[in-house]
Amino acid sequence: GAVVSQHPSWVICKSGTSVKIECRSLDFQATTMFWYRQFPKQSLMLMATSNEGSKATYEQGVEKDKFLINHASLTLSTLTVTSAHPEDSSFYICSARQGLIYNSPLHFGNGTRLTVT
Amino acid sequence: GQQLNQSPQSMFIQEGEDVSMNCTSSSIFNTWLWYKQDPGEGPVLLIALYKAGELTSNGRLTAQFGITRKDSFLNISASIPSDVGIYFCAGQDNDMRFGAGTRLTVKP
Repeated sequence: GAVVSQHPSWVICKSGTSVKIECRSLDFQATTMFWYRQFPKQSLMLMATSNEGSKATYEQGVEKDKFLINHASLTLSTLTVTSAHPEDSSFYICSARQGLIYNSPLHFGNGTRLTVT
Repeated sequence: GQQLNQSPQSMFIQEGEDVSMNCTSSSIFNTWLWYKQDPGEGPVLLIALYKAGELTSNGRLTAQFGITRKDSFLNISASIPSDVGIYFCAGQDNDMRFGAGTRLTVKP
């Protein structure tokens, strides 16, 4: 089956530093990837849609200058949390659409747990 | 963003019992999906539904895409301890929206 790899699986950083999270589709090309954020015991909240070769589309309330998304190739999207603060601590999950049609299933990475101290 | 209404929020059942959970939305979706998430991991796709009225099984799991395209249910038959986890429904159009999840606990 389709595999989405996310790295790192966990990261601890100091307040004010930036953290980059990678999301790779290992056995398929993904023109569209999605970034989600999940707080404990809550559902996944869509942050942004990442499109290969173009600017990401951010959901309302998500700061695009704080959560930088780059989708430079068909197999890699990155999310950079800039000037991280403790309130940015969360579980970040990416997903990739397998297939070109809009209703192809999404496959998820295993998530990145970010802790900002 | 828009969320789906998923119920129940949590379930505590005995091993061997059947489980049923559902999702409703005020909007129409073209695809309904069900995922399972274990602690500290990403969601794993269980079943994908593409047509209104579609009934699909995956082992002990059965899911249906509602006729109105605004709802879906997931049934798990003869539950086992490894069924423990959080189950999310998702409605997909251009992007994907998730229900709040159903936390399932199975007592041996």
